[in-house]
Amino acid sequence: KNEVEQSPQNLTAQEGEFITINCSYSVGISALHWLQQHPGGGIVSLFMLSSGKKKHGRLIATINIQEKHSSLHITASHPRDSAVYICAVRSNYGGSQGNLIFGKGTKLSVKP
Amino acid sequence: GAGVSQSPSNKVTEKGKDVELRCDPISGHTALYWYRQSLGQGLEFLIYFQGNSAPDKSGLPSDRFSAERTGGSVSTLTIQRTQQEDSAVYLCASSLAFGNGPQYFGPGTRLTVL
Repeated sequence: KNEVEQSPQNLTAQEGEFITINCSYSVGISALHWLQQHPGGGIVSLFMLSSGKKKHGRLIATINIQEKHSSLHITASHPRDSAVYICAVRSNYGGSQGNLIFGKGTKLSVKP
Repeated sequence: GAGVSQSPSNKVTEKGKDVELRCDPISGHTALYWYRQSLGQGLEFLIYFQGNSAPDKSGLPSDRFSAERTGGSVSTLTIQRTQQEDSAVYLCASSLAFGNGPQYFGPGTRLTVL
């Protein structure tokens, strides 16, 4: 079982829809990152959070440490949101402290 | 510089040759990370540096892979005797300090081993 699981793997939405991407993890963490990878391959860090909720524009990220779960929400989705969204956790155990462990990503396509 | 830069952006090499990939982190960032993304696969951690020190080399796939960082800035990832399975995009990221703050990613180097 992967230490970081994302769902869904693929998601197609119509422009304007509210989108949720989920991330569950099984290890102890000190922080969780949401990354966005565009079709050209560039990776952008969207959020880093260790508790609660963060909002940036139309993007909202939440984390529940007790349940080991995080969600990324996109409100009023737009075709330019089409990308792969990657959840990554920073472990807090053993010799791997600080390394990022990645989920396999969620490929989002927003249709006009 | 404004962001993390990597060179070359693309590298095609023959099996068995050595390659060097370079990463220039954001100025002032003491932590530097190398990742690999194989075709159709997720991101894989390779190695990190805090300053010039690399305490954890466990992510390197084999002893053909090595990395160094000098002057607390530029890092090079060297792959000796390249194999076809080494073909991937190699990504570098940096952060203010190890495990502290967001990581900023470079554009990557696409390595193709023929």
